[in-house]
Amino acid sequence: EVQLVESGGMLVHPGGSLRLSCAGSGFTFSSYSMNWVRQAPGKGLEWLSYISGSGGTVYYADSVKGRFTISRDNADNSLFLQMNSLRDDDTALYYCARSPPFPLVPTGMFTHWGQGSLVTVSS
Amino acid sequence: QSVLTQPPSVSAAPGQKVTISCSGSSSNIGNNDVSWYHQLSGTAPRLLISDNNKRPSDIPDRFSGSKTGASATLGITGLQTGDEGDYYCATWDSSLTASVFGGGTRLTVL
Repeated sequence: EVQLVESGGMLVHPGGSLRLSCAGSGFTFSSYSMNWVRQAPGKGLEWLSYISGSGGTVYYADSVKGRFTISRDNADNSLFLQMNSLRDDDTALYYCARSPPFPLVPTGMFTHWGQGSLVTVSS
Repeated sequence: QSVLTQPPSVSAAPGQKVTISCSGSSSNIGNNDVSWYHQLSGTAPRLLISDNNKRPSDIPDRFSGSKTGASATLGITGLQTGDEGDYYCATWDSSLTASVFGGGTRLTVL
């Protein structure tokens, strides 16, 4: 069974940094591209970032480009999101989501989701 | 303001049919496949439809998807109370080089 478990969410002050993790199990982690998607309280879904299975290709939403960095450790079946210069409007539930095995390009398809990790940015 | 436009809400009676629209442009829906997701309150989204009209094996055939030009539609027949919640369309936007979601549609089964 595919499982994705996010961790690392917490209360952080504006301007601060935080690193989220996502542990994958039940599948060959390195064979799948991964994504981060967030949902602010009472709002819709917002895609943030994509990373290919090898880690060689990444994409970011304009809202986080230059502030957030996606990475992965295939030896440890883990996905990461380093978040810097956090703002109040970054407060959200952050999901990691797996892409399908094919095509080997980003799409809007996310076949499996974690339960999310809550990040609260507040002074 | 979402790149993909969905109606904020739809409603219908149990057993009836409802459709949810998702409108985009040539840089997204017009040239890329659309997926649909269902989200119950307090839970993670769940993939309903991929590649415009394909259902994962665990999704009943009451759910269907279609795409014409730069618009996509999700159809749900035989509505049940368990179908309530929020529905999102998503695709890749080739100009933005980003995945994009619709703003979401809340379904109420009256």
